[in-house]
Amino acid sequence: RKEVEQDPGPFNVPEGATVAFNCTYSNSASQSFFWYRQDCRKEPKLLMSVYSSGNEDGRFTAQLNRASQYISLLIRDSKLSDSATYLCVVPRDQAGTALIFGKGTTLSVSS
Amino acid sequence: NAGVTQTPKFQVLKTGQSMTLQCAQDMNHEYMSWYRQDPGMGLRLIHYSVGAGITDQGEVPNGYNVSRSTTEDFPLRLLSAAPSQTSVYFCASSSIDRTLSSYGYTFGSGTRLTVV
Repeated sequence: RKEVEQDPGPFNVPEGATVAFNCTYSNSASQSFFWYRQDCRKEPKLLMSVYSSGNEDGRFTAQLNRASQYISLLIRDSKLSDSATYLCVVPRDQAGTALIFGKGTTLSVSS
Repeated sequence: NAGVTQTPKFQVLKTGQSMTLQCAQDMNHEYMSWYRQDPGMGLRLIHYSVGAGITDQGEVPNGYNVSRSTTEDFPLRLLSAAPSQTSVYFCASSSIDRTLSSYGYTFGSGTRLTVV
């Protein structure tokens, strides 16, 4: 089992839709999780951090299920500007020395 | 502006040439790391460092060397470039807030390398 796995998509949704991405991780000892956004292979930008059961920031909600070892990202009321690749990321160790990335899920929002 | 600076932004090499990708950060971060990203792939860890004088291998270290002589700089060396090393390379630095047990990662803007 790969360390971090994501459905690559693409997810094609209309503006205003709600879309959810799932990510599974293999290391049951992981304590921290991140969702990054990447546009056109530019540098990844942090979208959300998840340290406990979940986190919400405006239209974005991240949920953590430790028993099943998956993290989800929910985007409500999708905007055209949400079109990007969303990367599920886990620190490679407890100290956070570096990161392990999923392959990313591509979202395309259309008008 | 504070952050992570990568140079060059673009580079074309011939097979067999060597070069160094530069990475510098001015945030006094302890940890630095190098990643490569190929089409359809997430970022894969090449090498990382937990402080000056300390480096270790990541997931895909073959063909690359690193050193960390100062806290600020973490150069990545390609010893003998191969077409398989055509990729986008990202450098990152990070710190841990031990009070919050949270992490802060900052990425450079990337180096787009083509080996012909």
